[in-house]
Amino acid sequence: KAGVTQTPRYLIKTRGQQVTLSCSPISGHRSVSWYQQTPGQGLQFLFEYFSETQRNKGNFPGRFSGRQFSNSRSEMNVSTLELGDSALYLCASSRGLAGGPGAQETQYFGPGTRLLVL
Amino acid sequence: AQRVTQPEKLLSVFKGAPVELKCNYSYSGSPELFWYVQYSRQRLQLLLRHISRESIKGFTADLNKGETSFHLKKPFAQEEDSAMYYCALSGGGGSQGNLIFGKGTKLSVKP
Repeated sequence: KAGVTQTPRYLIKTRGQQVTLSCSPISGHRSVSWYQQTPGQGLQFLFEYFSETQRNKGNFPGRFSGRQFSNSRSEMNVSTLELGDSALYLCASSRGLAGGPGAQETQYFGPGTRLLVL
Repeated sequence: AQRVTQPEKLLSVFKGAPVELKCNYSYSGSPELFWYVQYSRQRLQLLLRHISRESIKGFTADLNKGETSFHLKKPFAQEEDSAMYYCALSGGGGSQGNLIFGKGTKLSVKP
């Protein structure tokens, strides 16, 4: 089956602009998570959406937001871009079924969107 | 605070040598731990998870709660094992998608 897709793959923006990134999960997956990857901080969790609702949120400022549509596709938006927002943004999908210990599902990652803020 | 530490940024070994990639974690509760791998020009993908106690591509990892460690081991490294390895902890909180990653260890296996 088709993997997680992300668009666009590369993006250049200037400080103060806003940007929207898109993620299409694997068919049948209802959970989409977003991560920011930078050389200094590594991979950091941004937020997770499940059935159009934000289920968990990382420690990022309110400039970072997201949403999920009824077809499970997700978008993330960054407003008022700063130089430090330059990063690789990864999304990951899973079925997202709830459960107790041991229920953490495999996350399937997309190729990422590389954002450069000038 | 929940945290994952991978003390080595780079680990270089010769083909056929044993490999151990270290991972230590900080978590209050019962942790769920994973190893993810990213080969050159490929996506990040799950290598193994502690809950399944399986061996993938010859790699194993044992959860040691006393030492709060989840080291990844392979007895005989192969050149195709060269990749970036990330240890990850499930952040819990009722979420399935919240993974806390270490900063990764780049494994280089020389011929």
